[in-house]
Amino acid sequence: DVKVTQSSRYLVKRTGEKVFLECVQDMDHENMFWYRQDPGLGLRLIYFSYDVKMKEKGDIPEGYSVSREKKERFSLILESASTNQTSMYLCASSRRGGGRLGTQYFGPGTRLTVL
Amino acid sequence: AQKVTQAQTEISVVEKEDVTLDCVYETRDTTYYLFWYKQPPSGELVFLIRRNSFDEQNEISGRYSWNFQKSTSSFNFTITASQVVDSAVYFCALSVLEYGNKLVFGAGTILRVKS
Repeated sequence: DVKVTQSSRYLVKRTGEKVFLECVQDMDHENMFWYRQDPGLGLRLIYFSYDVKMKEKGDIPEGYSVSREKKERFSLILESASTNQTSMYLCASSRRGGGRLGTQYFGPGTRLTVL
Repeated sequence: AQKVTQAQTEISVVEKEDVTLDCVYETRDTTYYLFWYKQPPSGELVFLIRRNSFDEQNEISGRYSWNFQKSTSSFNFTITASQVVDSAVYFCALSVLEYGNKLVFGAGTILRVKS
């Protein structure tokens, strides 16, 4: 079974703090993704990475950065948290390629509240 | 650009009723993949099915069935004899055959099954 884990299920931070969200997958997947989920908007892609040290912006990268130093780990960084970044954050991973290979598997999510 | 529309925000049914969740997609690519994911209250997105654009064969898996129609750009999901455990948010998603396999999600449909 594919296993994607996220460092925290719930997190409360203050405005202006630097926040790190960690994601680890154990299936040797090349691709990793960070999404945020908001009611009525579905999931929106923040950043993704298709290899170590590689990253590409998704649809809503503003206010976020990422780091991928090892294949199994993909970190999302909020440099200076703001209240509009209160959301559910979901990490996913997949193999490189289309179809069955490219199916994304998700972690349990981190519900971040910024006060 | 790709787009996925799930027009039903929320559906409530009584146990044992059949229910269909609608999904309409837009893409100009000829090769693409469609997905359904389930998000139970625990938060983790669970992969249910993947379909590629060249395979319009409908699929049945237990109480779940999927109807893919390219002519109407729809990929609808039917649960037969619904159960309380089916209560969740269901997401339809689309990816095109490009590097990274980014997913575009619909806004999701909340399904409530009452006993």
